[in-house]
Amino acid sequence: GEDVEQSLFLSVREGDSSVINCTYTDSSSTYLYWYKQEPGAGLQLLTYIFSNMDMKQDQRLTVLLNKKDKHLSLRIADTQTGDSAIYFCAEIPYSSASKIIFGSGTRLSIRP
Amino acid sequence: NAGVTQTPKFQVLKTGQSMTLQCAQDMNHEYMSWYRQDPGMGLRLIHYSVGAGITDQGEVPNGYNVSRSTTEDFPLRLLSAAPSQTSVYFCASSGTSGGLQSNTGELFFGEGSRLTVL
Repeated sequence: GEDVEQSLFLSVREGDSSVINCTYTDSSSTYLYWYKQEPGAGLQLLTYIFSNMDMKQDQRLTVLLNKKDKHLSLRIADTQTGDSAIYFCAEIPYSSASKIIFGSGTRLSIRP
Repeated sequence: NAGVTQTPKFQVLKTGQSMTLQCAQDMNHEYMSWYRQDPGMGLRLIHYSVGAGITDQGEVPNGYNVSRSTTEDFPLRLLSAAPSQTSVYFCASSGTSGGLQSNTGELFFGEGSRLTVL
């Protein structure tokens, strides 16, 4: 079946790195995504990785994909207060090219 | 550029009432979808459409109807509201035609509609 799982909460100190983890079940997913939701707003695409890649880096963001363990992670370097948000992992399952399945979301809070 | 516009932003209904959540996009996107967001459950897909005249069910379609008479609009109808439908509803669109895997499949979201059913 199609399932995406994340832990619900993460708290980090300002300036430290944040690592948000995600596991998925459909090993044939073509794309995997990280979306960000700020308070009172809709989701916005933060970054994505194609399934034939192991890593993607974009400024302070690093996405790691371990296809063997079906594990996706998002690392945010030098976490700032503006990074406080809910982060959603998502995939397009190969079984259905017309759906995007989202995880439960990880709420990232920043401590001073 | 307005992007994806949802109305209303807030709505309170009584059990059994009906209503329509409106969604419009001005990006000429073929793919549109409705999600509901509940605490601890992430976003769950209700219905989606890959083009005008075509709709299909997502993970949680019961109690909701949709139609897609134009490319721009994708309304979500609650025929007889129930307290279990209290949620935040998001409309999202994508520029791909057919399935989402034809390109990166990025979804563009509206700001959400918060619905309370008493």
